[in-house]
Amino acid sequence: DSGVTQTPKHLITATGQRVTLRCSPRSGDLSVYWYQQSLDQGLQFLIQYYNGEERAKGNILERFSAQQFPDLHSELNLSSLELGDSALYFCASSVEVGQGGFEQYFGPGTRLTVT
Amino acid sequence: DQQVKQNSPSLSVQEGRISILNCDYTNSMFDYFLWYKKYPAEGPTFLISISSIKDKNEDGRFTVFLNKSAKHLSLHIVPSQPGDSAVYFCAARRFTGNQFYFGTGTSLTVIP
Repeated sequence: DSGVTQTPKHLITATGQRVTLRCSPRSGDLSVYWYQQSLDQGLQFLIQYYNGEERAKGNILERFSAQQFPDLHSELNLSSLELGDSALYFCASSVEVGQGGFEQYFGPGTRLTVT
Repeated sequence: DQQVKQNSPSLSVQEGRISILNCDYTNSMFDYFLWYKKYPAEGPTFLISISSIKDKNEDGRFTVFLNKSAKHLSLHIVPSQPGDSAVYFCAARRFTGNQFYFGTGTSLTVIP
């Protein structure tokens, strides 16, 4: 158990709908990352938040948005869903202790199916 | 643009033998590299890392080798065990950067 929780585990919805994925980082971790893993693809970085502020943006579509709340949990909002948005969405958290390498700890993921 | 590449989607080895998983990167600014292991229905878990000031890092049965001139790293698992069967992701980042770049993964099967 990584200490990172994600809800829900599975989500099935229709095209055009909007969903919210939730992530609670490990206790003490200030950084939250969101990733998308589509079939046969690697982990695609979407966005990072650090202590409530957006820090880095990857290949995140304009239909997607995220935020990190004062209690450090994060939500990823996906709107106007398309079939191609079906994927595993992972959240990861990490402690940042200044410059240097650090590891990310991943949650179990949310499997989104758009029909 | 895939800056981290794992060109072998799958690998099968016999139990007790060595497993070698390869990873190539294109960005010479990367200076920290990680390997993650992922079982089905779980999130990736951190396995081992190496910074660019080293060319080898060892942790038990797992050793990561870094060849900066070739922009190549590899993960060696010796001896391989059936429990090592999983998807292995290579990742890279810059010390001063915030983004991790992941490869597409290699599915390792260790045959008993």
